[in-house]
Amino acid sequence: DARVTQTPRDKVTEMGQEVTMRCQPILGHNTVFWYRQTMMQGLELLAYFRNRAPLDDSGMPKDRFSAEMPDATLATLKIQPSEPRDSAVYFCASGLTREGPPEQFFGPGTRLTVL
Amino acid sequence: QKEVEQNSGPLSVPEGAIASLNCTYSDRGSQSFFWYRQYSGKSPELIMFIYSNGDKEDGRFTAQLNKASQYVSLLIRDSQPSDSATYLCAVIAGNNRLAFGKGNQVVVIP
Repeated sequence: DARVTQTPRDKVTEMGQEVTMRCQPILGHNTVFWYRQTMMQGLELLAYFRNRAPLDDSGMPKDRFSAEMPDATLATLKIQPSEPRDSAVYFCASGLTREGPPEQFFGPGTRLTVL
Repeated sequence: QKEVEQNSGPLSVPEGAIASLNCTYSDRGSQSFFWYRQYSGKSPELIMFIYSNGDKEDGRFTAQLNKASQYVSLLIRDSQPSDSATYLCAVIAGNNRLAFGKGNQVVVIP
């Protein structure tokens, strides 16, 4: 069945290291979202793509975070250098824009721990 | 001011009772509202959406929208232990993105 996949599921790294998270959206979906979830802040939108073009990345710290969609089947979120405050669960979601509001389908998430 | 507020602390309800969750939003122009359920360690999943003032029922779930007062609520009737989860309220914000509240944890006690 169709679902959003994310890799890795868990990542432990040391401060200063580069982290790359990958997402495969549901085939045919044209919107991709990256979220970060923490106990303190809840679910925050980091970046939003439609038809592979970035629409909104205002929630993303630009100095260390970058998001790309090299093709329709792959979205990446990169942190360089990583910091302990980046520890969170990162979710990718995909959807299909059409008449009416979009429904988003979430992937299982990547749990990132930066030591 | 946050776009979506869910201020209640954890909600404990006995099995079979009604769980009531509330959410307020800041943008009076918002048109579409969603409730997501998130089990511990899992990703959010959509359970209800509502666009019009009034009530919308789906099984044991009822969403209520009051645009004049800018709140949306979720009722869970005949609560079951499987309903124990965090419930996230979401609103369509600028650029057609979803803005989420922090969520309310519901614990159904057998």
